[in-house]
Amino acid sequence: QVTLKESGPVLVKPTETLTLTCTVSGFSLNHATMGVSWIRQPPGKALEWLAHIFSSDEKSYRTSLKRRLTISRDTSKSQVVLTMTNMDPVDTGTYYCVRISEVFQDGFWSGYYLPDYWGQGTPVTVSS
Amino acid sequence: DIQMTQSPSTLSASVGDRVTITCRASQSVTSWLAWYQQKPGKAPKLLIYKASRLERGVPSRFSGSGSGTDFTLTISGLQPDDFATYYCQQYKSYLYSFGQGTKLEFK
Repeated sequence: QVTLKESGPVLVKPTETLTLTCTVSGFSLNHATMGVSWIRQPPGKALEWLAHIFSSDEKSYRTSLKRRLTISRDTSKSQVVLTMTNMDPVDTGTYYCVRISEVFQDGFWSGYYLPDYWGQGTPVTVSS
Repeated sequence: DIQMTQSPSTLSASVGDRVTITCRASQSVTSWLAWYQQKPGKAPKLLIYKASRLERGVPSRFSGSGSGTDFTLTISGLQPDDFATYYCQQYKSYLYSFGQGTKLEFK
């Protein structure tokens, strides 16, 4: 059974750094066709993808937040960590950890990754 | 980055209705498009992937179509459990992007 569980502070102050941890089970972070993403959702607003990390340790970041984000993993602990610096009230929202899986199509691995399992999300409020 | 635009933002309907939500990409995503359903306080649930393929366990009243830049999600015979918010998402680019959501509410 695949599960992802987010953990981290509920409240952070403006200018502080947020560190969120995603602990996964039911699959390996070393699996060649899987990765993990972070996606957030401000209250009452749409979903926003933030970052990916793949089994190769390749990383991708949201263009507008690239300078503030770092994604990393500890395969021995089955954990993926997201840090976001210089937090602002607009960063308030629910942060989701999501497994992404490469799509197998027409007999080959496509190179495209689909989000297929989501954590329950963790709320983060930025306020002094 | 690829921009995704959904319409309408809100849709009022009744049980039994057939409804359609549209999603447009700012550039071609071929068929690398997914649809999600989200209920308040819950994580999104995958409904459709590859534009038209139904995720396992999703009722057949949900269907998706389109390719390139224009896509639709259709729900035929709305059930009470279907009133939720729906999002499209492209995964052609590693820089994922989502539509702004369509809230399906009771008329």
